[in-house]
Amino acid sequence: AAGVIQSPRHLIKEKRETATLKCYPIPRHDTVYWYQQGPGQDPQFLISFYEKMQSDKGSIPDRFSAQQFSDYHSELNMSSLELGDSALYFCASSLSRTSQYNEQFFGPGTRLTVL
Amino acid sequence: KNQVEQSPQSLIILEGKNCTLQCNYTVSPFSNLRWYKQDTGRGPVSLTIMTFSENTKSNGRYTATLDADTKQSSLHITASQLSDSASYICVVSPRLQAWGKLQFGAGTQVVVTP
Repeated sequence: AAGVIQSPRHLIKEKRETATLKCYPIPRHDTVYWYQQGPGQDPQFLISFYEKMQSDKGSIPDRFSAQQFSDYHSELNMSSLELGDSALYFCASSLSRTSQYNEQFFGPGTRLTVL
Repeated sequence: KNQVEQSPQSLIILEGKNCTLQCNYTVSPFSNLRWYKQDTGRGPVSLTIMTFSENTKSNGRYTATLDADTKQSSLHITASQLSDSASYICVVSPRLQAWGKLQFGAGTQVVVTP
């Protein structure tokens, strides 16, 4: 079965650079979530989109923005990168309307390293 | 304070042995509770998911229990295998939050040794 796809899997950037992370949800899933997981920490919710509209916002810095496109893929744009942005960034998708559990399926993550 | 507390923080067990991981939560109202397995550097993979009306759910050698009255859950791993070495994360989904913002526990790091 198709899973959530994230690209790139690894990314190395310098401070103050920008980065774009991409997420391709499971086909027919209508909701995308972004999480940030620092070393030894649990994932922190950043932002989510339902049907291409922002649906919820967590601890996403103002330097970050995200959107969901017409094909339901999502991009997380990160500007003025800081050392503290180094983390694993997970994308998850779900099919909200028909799922009793609203179960989220996670992608493999993008490891961002800021030097 | 984290609304989802897991214990123990880490666990070393011999291959073939059983173990039980604990999760206590204060999230309220509560929609469902999930257990995920996360290998290092990989995305979490769902093991079980239970609503407040479900007491137990199994997935192969993994069995989760839930007591919604005491707000406790456990994950039992039977006949552990080396591939069970991973972080096991308890995740609670609050009710009435439309888009399922999840509350994560810090995880229990399980190491299975030969």
